[in-house]
This record gives sequence, structure tokens and C-alpha cells, in this order.
Amino acid sequence: SQQGEEDPQALSIQEGENATMNCSYKTSINNLQWYRQNSGRGLVHLILIRSNEREKHSGRLRVTLDTSKKSSSLLITASRAADTASYFCATDGGGNNRLAFGKGNQVVVIP
Amino acid sequence: EADIYQTPRYLVIGTGKKITLECSQTMGHDKMYWYQQDPGMELHLIHYSYGVNSTEKGDLSSESTVSRIRTEHFPLTLESARPSHTSQYLCASSRWTGRPEQFFGPGTRLTVL
Repeated sequence: SQQGEEDPQALSIQEGENATMNCSYKTSINNLQWYRQNSGRGLVHLILIRSNEREKHSGRLRVTLDTSKKSSSLLITASRAADTASYFCATDGGGNNRLAFGKGNQVVVIP
Repeated sequence: EADIYQTPRYLVIGTGKKITLECSQTMGHDKMYWYQQDPGMELHLIHYSYGVNSTEKGDLSSESTVSRIRTEHFPLTLESARPSHTSQYLCASSRWTGRPEQFFGPGTRLTVL
């Protein structure tokens, strides 16, 4: 199964700055999803980008997908303290809707 | 807020005890999943189900078992807990088609002494 691998692993930024994190994967995908996890809680789905899409926006989130490089990036603009969380990418190879999760990026937004 | 629930939220138990972690969803989703996650690490799929009476083992070998007798209920059982089972267990569900994103419960943090 695909393994998303995020980079960098930990990021500390000031409130108002942008945060960018990357994800790479190994095999072909149907879609790629980003999730947020607050400390000790379950994951919350943020955004999904399909394999035939290159860029997608949702509020302050912007995700890109480069299938030739097997990579994706998540940009959070104008970060807030409430954005402090771990962010995971997950790849969906299609068919059975099983997701392969990466290790996650821990983002700390300093007020 | 997803309509998927897990109980208990926290469980501390001694070695050798039998435990059942409960997961229920009210969204009518056919697909349900159990993941195991160590602190700060990625999620590993341990069990999944495509519907009633369907259960499959995931990518990570686990000594736990699951059942799916009702659409909304997907409990996970450990017959004899060991310290190596200490982890966070996350339950999730999704639709068959149209919207492939998964909805997660709050998790159960299990500690086996």
C-alpha cells in the first residue's frame, strides 16, 4: 500500500505566518487527503484532491498535487493558534477506500 | 462534528484482562475501520469492514478481533491484554461511493499495566 511521508516533521511559526508541509508517496493513487489531529483526539478531514486535479482551495487551505513527482503540499495561510495540531496526508489507491497514512507534521502556531 | 462515538475514552487495565472497545456511528456508513496509533506516529490499519458480517484484517498484524453484526456498531476485542497493546485506537467510517473521506471517532487510549 502507499505510504504518505510528510516533510518537515515539526514546524513552529508565528501567528499570521503561512505554514507549508509536504507529502510524498510511492504508488499510483485515486486521491490524496489531508487530515488534522489535535492532541489526543481523532482525525478531522480537511481537504481531498483527486489524481486528475493539480490544485484545490478550501478557506485558508491550499493543496497541490504533482502526480509525476508523487508529491503533495498543504499550505495554511494566515495561521492561527487554533491551527496548532498534527497534519497527516493519506493516499487512497481507489477501489476499496483503504487509506495509507504518513507520519504526520506537527505544527505549532505561537500567538 | 462527526457522528461517530468511541467508549471508553481512556482505559487502564491489568495484563491478561479481556477488553472490548466500542465504536458506533449514526451516519449509516457501510465501511468502518480500526486504526492503531502510537503517540506522534502514523496510523496503522488493523481491521476494516465493508458492511454487516464483513470483516478483514488490515496492514498491521493485531491480536485483536472485530465483529460487525449491525451497520452502526464495530467493536474491537482483545481476549488477553498485554503491555504491548498499550496504544491509541481510532475508529473511523466512510461511505461506499461519492465521498471517500473517513470520519473519525475521538479514540480510546489504552494502557495495559
